[in-house]
Amino acid sequence: AQSVTQPDIHITVSEGASLELRCNYSYGATPYLFWYVQSPGQGLQLLLKYFSGDTLVQGIKGFEAEFKRSQSSFNLRKPSVHWSDAAEYFCAVAPNQAGTALIFGKGTTLSVSS
Amino acid sequence: EADIYQTPRYLVIGTGKKITLECSQTMGHDKMYWYQQDPGMELHLIHYSYGVNSTEKGDLSSESTVSRIRTEHFPLTLESARPSHTSQYLCASSGAASGNTIYFGEGSWLTVV
Repeated sequence: AQSVTQPDIHITVSEGASLELRCNYSYGATPYLFWYVQSPGQGLQLLLKYFSGDTLVQGIKGFEAEFKRSQSSFNLRKPSVHWSDAAEYFCAVAPNQAGTALIFGKGTTLSVSS
Repeated sequence: EADIYQTPRYLVIGTGKKITLECSQTMGHDKMYWYQQDPGMELHLIHYSYGVNSTEKGDLSSESTVSRIRTEHFPLTLESARPSHTSQYLCASSGAASGNTIYFGEGSWLTVV
C-alpha cells in the first residue's frame, strides 16, 4: 500500500536560516508527489508538484523540492525562511495516474523564531 | 488560484441535527473529494467522485453521505450529527483543466455540542 512518512513532527528554524522538511514515500512505481502548506484555520495551498522530468522542482514562495528515486524521498527546501512561513506542511502522493485521490503524510509544523 | 468554495466555514450545532456542508467549484473539474482532518492531524479521504452520479467511499470510514448531481457541486451530509463528527472537512477538486492537480477549498470547521 502507498504511504507517506514525514519524520519530523515539529521543526523550529530561525528567521533567515535555511529549511529542509523531509518526506519519504512508499510506492512501487514513480508516483506523483506534492507539497501543500496549511496556515491555521485555512485550507491547503499547493506549493509545488513533481510529475516527471527534472527532479528539482520550483514552487511558490521560494520553495523547491528534490525527487530522489534511490531514497524514495521528496524533501522540501527553502534557502531563507521568513516568519510568514510558519505553518503546517504536508507531503502527499498520488498513484501514477494523476488526478486520483492523494495520500497525505502526517504533516510537519514549522515554527520560525526571531 | 483555485476557485473552490465551501460553506459554511464555521458551524456549531447540537447533537442529532442534520447538516449539509456545501462545496462548489467553477473550474469544470470532473473529480471532487472530501477529506476529514482532526486538529493537528493528517488528512483522510472520506468520499470522492469521478463525475456526475459517481460517488465512492474513501479510506476512512465516515457516517456522512455525498451526492454529485451536478459537475460543480459536491455536498456532504450528516443525517444526525454527533460530537465525534467534530472536525475540519476539506473539499477538493481536480481535472484536466488544472493538469490533474488537486486544489482545496478553505475548509469547513464543524463542532457538534
